Amino acid sequence: GAVVSQHPSWVICKSGTSVKIECRSLDFQATTMFWYRQFPKQSLMLMATSNEGSKATYEQGVEKDKFLINHASLTLSTLTVTSAHPEDSSFYICSASLPAAEQYFGPGTRLTVT
Amino acid sequence: KQEVTQIPAALSVPEGENLVLNCSFTDSAIYNLQWFRQDPGKGLTSLLLIQSSQREQTSGRLNASLDKSSGRSTLYIAASQPGDSATYLCAVRGNTPLVFGKGTRLSVIA
Repeated sequence: GAVVSQHPSWVICKSGTSVKIECRSLDFQATTMFWYRQFPKQSLMLMATSNEGSKATYEQGVEKDKFLINHASLTLSTLTVTSAHPEDSSFYICSASLPAAEQYFGPGTRLTVT
Repeated sequence: KQEVTQIPAALSVPEGENLVLNCSFTDSAIYNLQWFRQDPGKGLTSLLLIQSSQREQTSGRLNASLDKSSGRSTLYIAASQPGDSATYLCAVRGNTPLVFGKGTRLSVIA
């Protein structure tokens, strides 16, 4: 299957700071990338869908001004958590795919906000 | 809105036992269904992908079935091993991105 990478794999930051997470599709050009969030012992919840070159579509309840998504190329999407708070601590997983095709997942980024 | 339910939420079995994990979904208009494995604190490992036109897929000791019309899928694990202990997630893709169930937490006791 296709390979999707994420960086960093884990990050600790102080409350009020911003953190950027990168998601890259290494061996295919992904028209669409997705960002999911997983709280402890919960399932993955979709945060937003981004298509290259256009604005991301956010799921209900996800603050677009807090979670900034940029999909500048067919192989790179970034998620920036702005003014992070402890309640933003979670496991963030990105996914990349072609339309109506299999979604390939990155290894995830564990964010801890102190 | 698509909803995915997995039963049971947790399961503990002795090593060597065959077991079945269940997944149901509310909207049968899907492109595919996937089963994933997730170890604690780790990302997802894709186990099996079933396209909407398929009835089942097999990989080693794993067999997944899909009954799209009834909105059900099962994951059959044969001869379970302690290394199979993990959370198993079912997810479906239709006109929306993959929607996940809450998972079944499996413990295989040696």
